Amino acid sequence: ETAVFQTPNYHVTQVGNEVSFNCKQTLGHDTMYWYKQDSKKLLKIMFSYNNKQLIVNETVPRRFSPQSSDKAHLNLRIKSVEPEDSAVYLCASSSRLGARAEQFFGPGTRLTVL
Amino acid sequence: TQTVSQSDAHVTVFEGDSVELRCNYSYGGSIYLSWYIQHHGRGLQFLLKYYSGNPVVQGVNGFEAEFSKSDSSFHLRKASVHWSDSAVYFCAVRGTGGYKVVFGSGTRLLVSP
Repeated sequence: ETAVFQTPNYHVTQVGNEVSFNCKQTLGHDTMYWYKQDSKKLLKIMFSYNNKQLIVNETVPRRFSPQSSDKAHLNLRIKSVEPEDSAVYLCASSSRLGARAEQFFGPGTRLTVL
Repeated sequence: TQTVSQSDAHVTVFEGDSVELRCNYSYGGSIYLSWYIQHHGRGLQFLLKYYSGNPVVQGVNGFEAEFSKSDSSFHLRKASVHWSDSAVYFCAVRGTGGYKVVFGSGTRLLVSP
């Protein structure tokens, strides 16, 4: 099956803990993304990787860091979570870095910070 | 700077009705416009896109959208909705020279049986 896979589906943790989310795409795409979707469904780009190179880094807090071992994987680590980090984190990929390529999304990881 | 505005946060229709979801954008150059759908608890799925040519583009499941440069709009339409069309719909814009996609705030469509 070719798709974008994310683990875990849900994660509940306490303030100050470290969390890590995994994303893998089997579509053979060169570009991967992380988005944050808040409780009002607003989507904001966090990071974008093209062939393992970071090409977009929106002004996210330093506690967030993307990690990529190859172009099929893009993980997200949050070093010390804060309550405002509670959200759904969506991973996506596209065939190439360019405006015409539509993005394929994973199901998301819902993070709840207590 | 590119911006996308979806003026209707919620739209409710009956099954079999037609529907139009509105999207207006602001951008100074050439752009790509897209629509995505998000069912509850799932990721976004691509519906259709426009860059040039015929301003009316066809997508999956009977959806179409019409680009209007004069109105700076890219409204999504469906002639006859089904209950399974209930979802959140996102309009997105990306400048042709850039990598970042900007999504609108979404419109939640509820189709009543």
